[in-house]
Amino acid sequence: DTEVTQTPKHLVMGMTNKKSLKCEQHMGHRAMYWYKQKAKKPPELMFVYSYEKLSINESVPSRFSPECPNSSLLNLHLHALQPEDSALYLCASSQGPGTGFPEYGYTFGSGTRLTVV
Amino acid sequence: AQKITQTQPGMFVQEKEAVTLDCTYDTSDPSYGLFWYKQPSSGEMIFLIYQGSYDQQNATEGRYSLNFQKARKSANLVISASQLGDSAMYFCAMRDFLYNQGGKLIFGQGTELSVKP
Repeated sequence: DTEVTQTPKHLVMGMTNKKSLKCEQHMGHRAMYWYKQKAKKPPELMFVYSYEKLSINESVPSRFSPECPNSSLLNLHLHALQPEDSALYLCASSQGPGTGFPEYGYTFGSGTRLTVV
Repeated sequence: AQKITQTQPGMFVQEKEAVTLDCTYDTSDPSYGLFWYKQPSSGEMIFLIYQGSYDQQNATEGRYSLNFQKARKSANLVISASQLGDSAMYFCAMRDFLYNQGGKLIFGQGTELSVKP
């Protein structure tokens, strides 16, 4: 299995809702990432989990809450979002914390298109 | 700080012709990795090609080749024999090796390629 699976593919939520995005990989990768991407812009890193521990938080607002229950699963919990949070949310994984295997890049999921109304 | 620059917001190419997408980078780290990704309108980020900073030869993958000029800090993507399916956004990216924290992928602004029949 060489895929990163993201669900749901599309999500519309109100500003008072609570929802979660899910990301799963079975490649044995030990680093997982959340990126946010606006239309026609590059992805922006939000969070990095390395060996199931949060290692990087790029000053993301607390209305986004990541969780890594195990080495294969990464969640992003959403609460009280704003319309400007509407974007494509990409999950990615990589083999390790960047040591020794630079040729193994990131494997991305297809993303969740989030619309906040 | 590491930086990736793509100076071509949009490009057109005739079907079956070759096209070069420009990418320059800046880093003080002697060890780094450079990637090219393709993102069609569906949103998935597709890995195309990788070049390591110590690789002696330019990377090639099918119709994709990377013109790596280390002294000039450039890593241009060459697509030979363009096809209509090549129409997409293309991102150049660099891996920041953050040991024990998870590698951080830094993206350029992207180039939108349109292939004309």
